[in-house]
Amino acid sequence: DTGVSQNPRHKITKRGQNVTFRCDPISEHNRLYWYRQTLGQGPEFLTYFQNEAQLEKSRLLSDRFSAERPKGSFSTLEIQRTEQGDSAMYLCASSPSGADTQYFGPGTRLTVL
Amino acid sequence: GQQLNQSPQSMFIQEGEDVSMNCTSSSIFNTWLWYKQDPGEGPVLLIALYKAGELTSNGRLTAQFGITRKDSFLNISASIPSDVGIYFCAGPDDKIIFGKGTRLHILP
Repeated sequence: DTGVSQNPRHKITKRGQNVTFRCDPISEHNRLYWYRQTLGQGPEFLTYFQNEAQLEKSRLLSDRFSAERPKGSFSTLEIQRTEQGDSAMYLCASSPSGADTQYFGPGTRLTVL
Repeated sequence: GQQLNQSPQSMFIQEGEDVSMNCTSSSIFNTWLWYKQDPGEGPVLLIALYKAGELTSNGRLTAQFGITRKDSFLNISASIPSDVGIYFCAGPDDKIIFGKGTRLHILP
């Protein structure tokens, strides 16, 4: 297993467009997390899944954001009607159990023009 | 909510020097994590601490879990160029809460 993978690595979009990112976790990891990281900051929690169930969502996750993990394996994060403030690195992590054993992917860098 | 404060924000050192950085919390954590992030990559776990007072090493890295459970320290001995990056402390709950990081620069 090669670790957590994320696609695309970079995305440039115009304001108002919708974007979707994909995360493939490490096989058999039942927990999957999404974080957002802006310049000069640490990653900030957005949401997490235990298998296919979305268990927690941060207040950072506005109504324009939606995440799914339909079969308990890969996950998608969609942002509708993107705004310039959405520009950030979106990180995915997976874990076999608790939050202290998370393995991060390389991230998707979103730039909204 | 819980906050983690890291200091210093950035460090400029000579290759071969030892490095010390710390992290303090507004509340108690039962686990402390230290991550390193290289440019354009996700964070990589360096050391996990599970017990107050615990001192754990990973090669040239040593981290300590403060006895108050509100702080942690990371030391890097004999720094080398590949140590350049951002070091984050983090405390896990259901998710991980990260500090803002300490940026390590090594002067040529």
